[in-house]
Amino acid sequence: GAVVSQHPSRVICKSGTSVKIECRSLDFQATTMFWYRQFPKQSLMLMATSNEGSKATYEQGVEKDKFLINHASLTLSTLTVTSAHPEDSSFYICSASGGTGNTIYFGEGSWLTVV
Amino acid sequence: GESVGLHLPTLSVQEGDNSIINCAYSNSASDYFIWYKQESGKGPQFIIDIRSNMDKRQGQRVTVLLNKTVKHLSLQIAATQPGDSAVYFCAEIVMDSSYKLIFGSGTRLLVRP
Repeated sequence: GAVVSQHPSRVICKSGTSVKIECRSLDFQATTMFWYRQFPKQSLMLMATSNEGSKATYEQGVEKDKFLINHASLTLSTLTVTSAHPEDSSFYICSASGGTGNTIYFGEGSWLTVV
Repeated sequence: GESVGLHLPTLSVQEGDNSIINCAYSNSASDYFIWYKQESGKGPQFIIDIRSNMDKRQGQRVTVLLNKTVKHLSLQIAATQPGDSAVYFCAEIVMDSSYKLIFGSGTRLLVRP
């Protein structure tokens, strides 16, 4: 079946650096991709919605200059956390919408730790 | 983000019993709802969905009930098994400038052997 792949699954970066997380739809074309952030014992918080070839739509309170989202193709979206700080440490999850019935599929998430 | 998730409530059930997990949604215009299961450190897994023109839908061991009058969803799991232990989220499709999937606050299900 359809699979959404995230990479890396875990990443540790130094404070002040940038880190990129990739989200790929492996066997379908994803017209829309969603990026979520999840803190421990909390729900998934939608950060932004991206449509292929257009600018991402960010949720209120999410800094678009800090969380850069690029959806350059129908199978790839990237989230770049710029100038990362320890408080950005979280579980980042992407989902992709497409395929038969416009089903929404989730990736396995990426753990980011900023030290 | 729109989802509010503070501290997850916990439902503890005996193995073999039925579980009922509840969820309240906020947008009366939402017309599509999904239940997800999330195991520790993993992404959400689709369980079952329901459209607003239905009030009940059944899957294998799971049933979703939708009450649009009070904006309430429930997930019923029959004969709960240890492998059902996880966090369960309801999510709704919200139409804004485009559509987006918004998660509810979640419930942790613990199955006692």
